[in-house]
Amino acid sequence: QVQLQESGPGLVKPSQTLSLTCTVSGGSIGSNYYSWIWIRQPAGKGLEWIGRIYNSGNTNYNPSLKSRVTISVDTSKNQFSLELTSVTAADTAVYYCARAAPGGYSIWYLDYWGQGTLVTVSS
Amino acid sequence: DIQMTQSPASLSASVGDRVTITCRASQSISRNLGWYQQKVGKAPKLLIYGASSLQRGIPSRFSGSGSGTDFTLTISSLQAEDFATYYCQQTDSSPWTFGQGTKVEI
Repeated sequence: QVQLQESGPGLVKPSQTLSLTCTVSGGSIGSNYYSWIWIRQPAGKGLEWIGRIYNSGNTNYNPSLKSRVTISVDTSKNQFSLELTSVTAADTAVYYCARAAPGGYSIWYLDYWGQGTLVTVSS
Repeated sequence: DIQMTQSPASLSASVGDRVTITCRASQSISRNLGWYQQKVGKAPKLLIYGASSLQRGIPSRFSGSGSGTDFTLTISSLQAEDFATYYCQQTDSSPWTFGQGTKVEI
């Protein structure tokens, strides 16, 4: 059974960098078949896709965050990570990592999710 | 970005009711759409992918239909455990975008 677990600081000061790691167990992050996703959700609001990475290191980012986001992968540790720079209160949210599996053509689906971790941006 | 618009934003229903949620894309996304269920304090859970394919382990009372710009999630007979918020998501083009959610309440 594949499991994902987010980890990182729950409190980040404004203007600093938010750093989170997602550890994958029960499956290899090195598989060429999947991509690995970060999504966030402010309290009481909807879901925002942040970006994704393949084990090759290729990435896609949400243009709304692209200038501040970096997603990286460490296949030796079976982890992938998120860095978000110059954070403000608007970046306060629950951050989820997830696995995206292909279903043919442009069909992808998020079949495994981490439990989510709350990151608060506050001084 | 492709905009995903769900309706209604919320609905009230009873156990046993047939419930339908719609999702409209701002441009054609073929069948590149998934539906997710989220309960309070939990991560979203995949229900349907490819517009109509039922994820393993999901009860058959859930079904999806549509293609192009208009999609539907149907719960044929609502159960107590189905009270949650439902999201559609397109994967046709980056950034993958979600609808704003539909809250199904008692």
